[in-house]
Amino acid sequence: GAGVSQSPRYKVAKRGQDVALRCDPISGHVSLFWYQQALGQGPEFLTYFQNEAQLDKSGLPSDRFFAERPEGSVSTLKIQRTQQEDSAVYLCASGDFATRSYEQYFGPGTRLTVT
Amino acid sequence: AQSVTQLGSHVSVSEGALVLLRCNYSSSVPPYLFWYVQYPNQGLQLLLKYTSAATLVKGINGFEAEFKKSETSFHLTKPSAHMSDAAEYFCAVSAQGAQKLVFGQGTRLTINP
Repeated sequence: GAGVSQSPRYKVAKRGQDVALRCDPISGHVSLFWYQQALGQGPEFLTYFQNEAQLDKSGLPSDRFFAERPEGSVSTLKIQRTQQEDSAVYLCASGDFATRSYEQYFGPGTRLTVT
Repeated sequence: AQSVTQLGSHVSVSEGALVLLRCNYSSSVPPYLFWYVQYPNQGLQLLLKYTSAATLVKGINGFEAEFKKSETSFHLTKPSAHMSDAAEYFCAVSAQGAQKLVFGQGTRLTINP
């Protein structure tokens, strides 16, 4: 399995609970992105890592959202005190921009439903 | 800053007919442009990309797109639609040298038998 994997695929949380979403990028990919896709919308950028460094977190909607990639491979997106407006599909993507292909490879996403 | 406008949230064509999905972009720097396809409950799959080489780009599954700087457009076409083309299509832009993608709202393509 050489693709990007995400877990869990589906998550139901009660309002106020904390959740953690995991992304396993393609092996060797330096760049890792998180996007949020609301129902019927295009994905929106949340944050970007190059190796373990978080270079851009301008898309994180509030300080309840936190992402990390401590060893430059697996990444976790954490949402604290979930709200109904956090319900969305969270997409992870990885890329190897050193090859100048500029392609991002997407995982299947985690569908988060906050009740 | 970059932005993308996809004209038509829904497009319906007959099987065997021409597919045309419209994308206009705005970018303050030379752009990289992408078309992605999304099937239900799946992630996004890259169809094709423009990264400042040839302006006519050919992708997978018979799709192609033409970068027109004067019209700030990057429309996606396929000469003959197939039932398996039914999906959601997203146009995206990134600034050269930057990383994140800015997506359009998407166009849902329906194929009528």
